[in-house]
Amino acid sequence: KQEVTQIPAALSVPEGENLVLNCSFTDSAIYNLQWFRQDPGKGLTSLLLIQSSQREQTSGRLNASLDKSSGRSTLYIAASQPGDSATYLCAVPSGGYNKLIFGAGTRLAVHP
Amino acid sequence: DAGITQSPRHKVTETGTPVTLRCHQTENHRYMYWYRQDPGHGLRLIHYSYGVKDTDKGEVSDGYSVSRSKTEDFLLTLESATSSQTSVYFCAISSEDRGNTEAFFGQGTRLTVV
Repeated sequence: KQEVTQIPAALSVPEGENLVLNCSFTDSAIYNLQWFRQDPGKGLTSLLLIQSSQREQTSGRLNASLDKSSGRSTLYIAASQPGDSATYLCAVPSGGYNKLIFGAGTRLAVHP
Repeated sequence: DAGITQSPRHKVTETGTPVTLRCHQTENHRYMYWYRQDPGHGLRLIHYSYGVKDTDKGEVSDGYSVSRSKTEDFLLTLESATSSQTSVYFCAISSEDRGNTEAFFGQGTRLTVV
């Protein structure tokens, strides 16, 4: 059974720091991995989708990497800003039909 | 933003009453999903649909039923609401195209069963 783990569970950093969020999964037979952002009381916003054939995907200050063989993905946030404060979730498909298994998330606080 | 609308956004209902949540999409995606999000459990799949009138159970389907009579609408019904079904419910969609399976989520429905 696929399990997804995110470390750390919470992170508090000063503005301007570069930071790394980690996601690990137990079954490496995935065809993609998706990172989401969730603001309090809101829905999930898709940040990046990495296909299994890719090793990295970039969007603005965000860079996500995927290493299937080791069962790991990282989300790198450059020059963090207070507006980046949110919970970040990773998810992988499992069992067909793009059904997603989610990690518990990393709650990020960026303070001025 | 992907065109996903959930209704209602908030609902308070009494134990034992039926409740239906609606998800409407304008993206013409074949796959639709209902997830619930709870503290300590994260996001878990309730039911999903892979086409009109084609649905199946997810991880936490007990007490829930779904229907999909049109591509754009996916309904989640709690036949007799219980306090354990107090949660935030999210609808999601994705394409069946293996090369572009990005999932998009609605804004959620906060359901309280008293």
